[in-house]
Amino acid sequence: TQLLEQSPQFLSIQEGENLTVYCNSSSVFSSLQWYRQEPGEGPVLLVTVVTGGEVKKLKRLTFQFGDARKDSSLHITAAQPGDTGLYLCAGADDYKLSFGAGTTVTVRA
Amino acid sequence: DAGVTQSPTHLIKTRGQQVTLRCSPISGHKSVSWYQQVLGQGPQFIFQYYEKEERGRGNFPDRFSARQFPNYSSELNVNALLLGDSALYLCASSPTGGASGNTIYFGEGSWLTVV
Repeated sequence: TQLLEQSPQFLSIQEGENLTVYCNSSSVFSSLQWYRQEPGEGPVLLVTVVTGGEVKKLKRLTFQFGDARKDSSLHITAAQPGDTGLYLCAGADDYKLSFGAGTTVTVRA
Repeated sequence: DAGVTQSPTHLIKTRGQQVTLRCSPISGHKSVSWYQQVLGQGPQFIFQYYEKEERGRGNFPDRFSARQFPNYSSELNVNALLLGDSALYLCASSPTGGASGNTIYFGEGSWLTVV
């Protein structure tokens, strides 16, 4: 059972368009992390958010953490084919990560 | 510097057999975790080891076991394989045991197919 719900499940857009993916948790974790996973590889950490209301920017990626620390979003501006991948959010507690099922993003050239 | 290395990368086993997966963490990292990722789902936590001690175990049957060696490498063993064990098995390493305050690095995984 996934504690974190991600939406949408799939997203296909044209290069240059913007996109937003969402992550909603039934629990409050110590921190929430976003990963990108490409085919044949393990997940790679993009960002960690800790404080409610926090906004972090990583080049064309903007991450927001809700005030209640239960929901988060990832917004990509002017998407490029290199942004294609599986985007996973994960709640961190003590020693383990609890992942959502992910959003598969495809950016068409 | 080498990242997290896992072996084998792909393997096929028959139902009822046993499998051993291996992981070498990043040099200097003392914590190793194992995750199972079934197709279409996010990774599910199986075990964490820190300083050779098991610190946490996920909701997996006793057929799953693991250990960490003095050089901090780790093995995951799965006995009496079932078709449902077919998945990508990911190893992750971090400097210390906490998941929240650490950057966790994942290997490329071992693809296990049970037929």
